[in-house]
Amino acid sequence: GESVGLHLPTLSVQEGDNSIINCAYSNSASDYFIWYKQESGKGPQFIIDIRSNMDKRQGQRVTVLLNKTVKHLSLQIAATQPGDSAVYFCAETPSSNTGNQFYFGTGTSLTVIP
Amino acid sequence: KAGVTQTPRYLIKTRGQQVTLSCSPISGHRSVSWYQQTPGQGLQFLFEYFSETQRNKGNFPGRFSGRQFSNSRSEMNVSTLELGDSALYLCASSFGTGGNTIYFGEGSWLTVV
Repeated sequence: GESVGLHLPTLSVQEGDNSIINCAYSNSASDYFIWYKQESGKGPQFIIDIRSNMDKRQGQRVTVLLNKTVKHLSLQIAATQPGDSAVYFCAETPSSNTGNQFYFGTGTSLTVIP
Repeated sequence: KAGVTQTPRYLIKTRGQQVTLSCSPISGHRSVSWYQQTPGQGLQFLFEYFSETQRNKGNFPGRFSGRQFSNSRSEMNVSTLELGDSALYLCASSFGTGGNTIYFGEGSWLTVV
């Protein structure tokens, strides 16, 4: 089966610092990746996505990097704010999948220290 | 426009009962997927429906079933509830199927006692 993992289950950063959350995947056929943010008691919220034909994609204060060689994905959050405290999930779907079945990592809990 | 809407938000059921959860996708979205989220197993795919047809099914017992209506609204049903079915059930919608971005609702919290 698919294996999508995260290097660290928890991450604490000072407000204003940059955060980096990592994710590893095992299926080399994976071609679409999404990062989600989940706050307590809420559903996952889309942050940013990237397809396998790209190495980097930037959004507002967030950047996703994809390294297909080592099957690694990272989410960078610039100038981390208290509102960024949440659990972050990476999700991937392989091109061989004919539907929208995503495989999720176990999540990294980000705590921003004021 | 409105996001994915799930009802009910919270419910408590007794072992052996059945439950039906409802999901209204984002307007214009034709694909609806269901996921189960638990502390131990994380987010796991249940099934996806597109144009009223089941596209994919995850590794869950037959007690878990779903359907999609012509207006793209979807329901999932769990029969003969077990304690281990206690979880957050998340619905996600997307415009199409096959590598499309999925957007989640707030989920339905099911507690089985």
